[in-house]
Amino acid sequence: EDQVTQSPEALRLQEGESSSLNCSYTVSGLRGLFWYRQDPGKGPEFLFTLYSAGEEKEKERLKATLTKKESFLHITAPKPEDSATYLCAVPTIPNNDMRFGAGTRLTVKP
Amino acid sequence: DAGVIQSPRHEVTEMGQEVTLRCKPISGHNSLFWYRQTMMRGLELLIYFNNNVPIDDSGMPEDRFSAKMPNASFSTLKIQPSEPRDSAVYFCASSLRTGQTYEQYFGPGTRLTVT
Repeated sequence: EDQVTQSPEALRLQEGESSSLNCSYTVSGLRGLFWYRQDPGKGPEFLFTLYSAGEEKEKERLKATLTKKESFLHITAPKPEDSATYLCAVPTIPNNDMRFGAGTRLTVKP
Repeated sequence: DAGVIQSPRHEVTEMGQEVTLRCKPISGHNSLFWYRQTMMRGLELLIYFNNNVPIDDSGMPEDRFSAKMPNASFSTLKIQPSEPRDSAVYFCASSLRTGQTYEQYFGPGTRLTVT
């Protein structure tokens, strides 16, 4: 069965303290790995799609990378406004629906 | 661009009552998804439509749940009768499906409380 596992469940950082979030997956024939950000009381907001191992995408202080078994979301010099839950997701086979991980709840303290 | 619109934003109802959640997808998108999110189970796909046709409803918990998409700009998720364990945040998302993969855009969600 296709699985998406995110770690850690929660992460507390000081402002400016860089770190990484992990998303590991078991799915045959990866057809994209998606990162979303979710703020409290809101729906997930699309951040990145990665399609192949070695690919990288960047947006402000966030950089997503992909290997054959996992993806990392690197956060460089985070600010309090980066506090949110970060979700990753992969399309499943054969239905091509989206399987989400449980998320990492990031808190950045000033 | 208005984004995905959901209504109501909050719904409080008593056990046994019928609940109808509504969604307007982004204009031009051809796929629509209904999700449920709880602390215990995270984000779960309930059902999705492609070109208004239900493709996969294996995530619908039981017969009390039903979903319709009568046209490209409107969908409903109905729970009848509702139970306390249905309390959750229900999200609608839409996407423009091209090829084998797609990005989903989520609405603000409906927070359902069944007492």
